[in-house]
Amino acid sequence: DAGVIQSPRHEVTEMGQEVTLRCKPISGHDYLFWYRQTMMRGLELLIYFNNNVPIDDSGMPEDRFSAKMPNASFSTLKIQPSEPRDSAVYFCASSPRDRDPYNEQFFGPGTRLTVL
Amino acid sequence: GEDVEQSLFLSVREGDSSVINCTYTDSSSTYLYWYKQEPGAGLQLLTYIFSNMDMKQDQRLTVLLNKKDKHLSLRIADTQTGDSAIYFCADPRLGSGYALNFGKGTSLLVTP
Repeated sequence: DAGVIQSPRHEVTEMGQEVTLRCKPISGHDYLFWYRQTMMRGLELLIYFNNNVPIDDSGMPEDRFSAKMPNASFSTLKIQPSEPRDSAVYFCASSPRDRDPYNEQFFGPGTRLTVL
Repeated sequence: GEDVEQSLFLSVREGDSSVINCTYTDSSSTYLYWYKQEPGAGLQLLTYIFSNMDMKQDQRLTVLLNKKDKHLSLRIADTQTGDSAIYFCADPRLGSGYALNFGKGTSLLVTP
């Protein structure tokens, strides 16, 4: 299995531009998570989906952020308009429902976003 | 909110033991987790402990759980330079079966 795939790996954009981050979860996983990692705030959960349905989006910072999961193999996180304070590493993770009694999340390599 | 607290940095010499500490707030947590993040990569599950256990050993790793004090620790024996990474403690988010609360992570630096 290829693991969780994220694209792009690096994104540099200018303030005000739209940014779209993409994620392909591991096949057969029911849960998909979007996280943001910064030095100041650590790892923050932005939103997660179960069977393509958003369950908890309370971590989404503001209306400039939106996430979709149109099917079981693809999710996007969009920022519009982007601001310098959005600069961070964004991780996608997926998790199977019935793998084991415990819950293991499998992380992608992340997208490093820099907003100038 | 539910906070998971960790110290931010730890430096040890190669061959010594490392102990990374964590406190959590949700007393109903069933499993508690340690994830490892190597430079430039995502997090990977390192080990976990079920809440009815006090200790779990897995090769060089020992996890200790004190439920009364809500304290979790990860001990790495014979620490190697390859163990240099960020270590995250995590517990399940209250009200959610599958989302996790992560601490800010402890950066472990192993010097020769």
